[in-house]
Amino acid sequence: GENVEQHPSTLSVQEGDSAVIKCTYSDSASNYFPWYKQELGKGPQLIIDIRSNVGEKKDQRIAVTLNKTAKHFSLHITETQPEDSAVYFCAASHSGYALNFGKGTSLLVTP
Amino acid sequence: GAGVSQSPSNKVTEKGKDVELRCDPISGHTALYWYRQSLGQGLEFLIYFQGNSAPDKSGLPSDRFSAERTGGSVSTLTIQRTQQEDSAVYLCASSLGYSNQPQHFGDGTRLSIL
Repeated sequence: GENVEQHPSTLSVQEGDSAVIKCTYSDSASNYFPWYKQELGKGPQLIIDIRSNVGEKKDQRIAVTLNKTAKHFSLHITETQPEDSAVYFCAASHSGYALNFGKGTSLLVTP
Repeated sequence: GAGVSQSPSNKVTEKGKDVELRCDPISGHTALYWYRQSLGQGLEFLIYFQGNSAPDKSGLPSDRFSAERTGGSVSTLTIQRTQQEDSAVYLCASSLGYSNQPQHFGDGTRLSIL
């Protein structure tokens, strides 16, 4: 089945710096790649997603890039703020429905 | 508008008991999903519904786990004869019925088996 690897597992940045989280997937048939932010005690919240017919997508301070050849996608957060501190999950889907998640990155933004 | 609602938010039960977890999806979402999140782990897919049918139940870990959905809306996940390894947060999500649609999650049910 699909295997999604996510790195790093923890990331600490200073406020205003950029943060990058990387994921790789194993199934070349995967065609949908969402990113979720999860705060303590809450469910995951979708922050951005990308489909395989697009190489890059941006929404204000958040961007995602996809390299289908390398089976690799990344989340970029610019001008980080303390409220960006959370656990971030990448996911991939080859079925169009079930999501396979990475193990998460705990991001800490220090003032 | 209302998001995905799950109940109870917390459930503590003794090993061997049966438990029922409930999910109320976003109105109009025909697709509904159950995931499990164990301590410090990522999310693990359990089952997916399209309307009242479950085209993919490949993630259910054993025959102690079952789920149903009625009226194309509310879903219940049932775990029979609970074991300590069943302790986890059970998350429900819903989406529009087309493929590759954004899935919106509830806040989960935290299940603890004593």
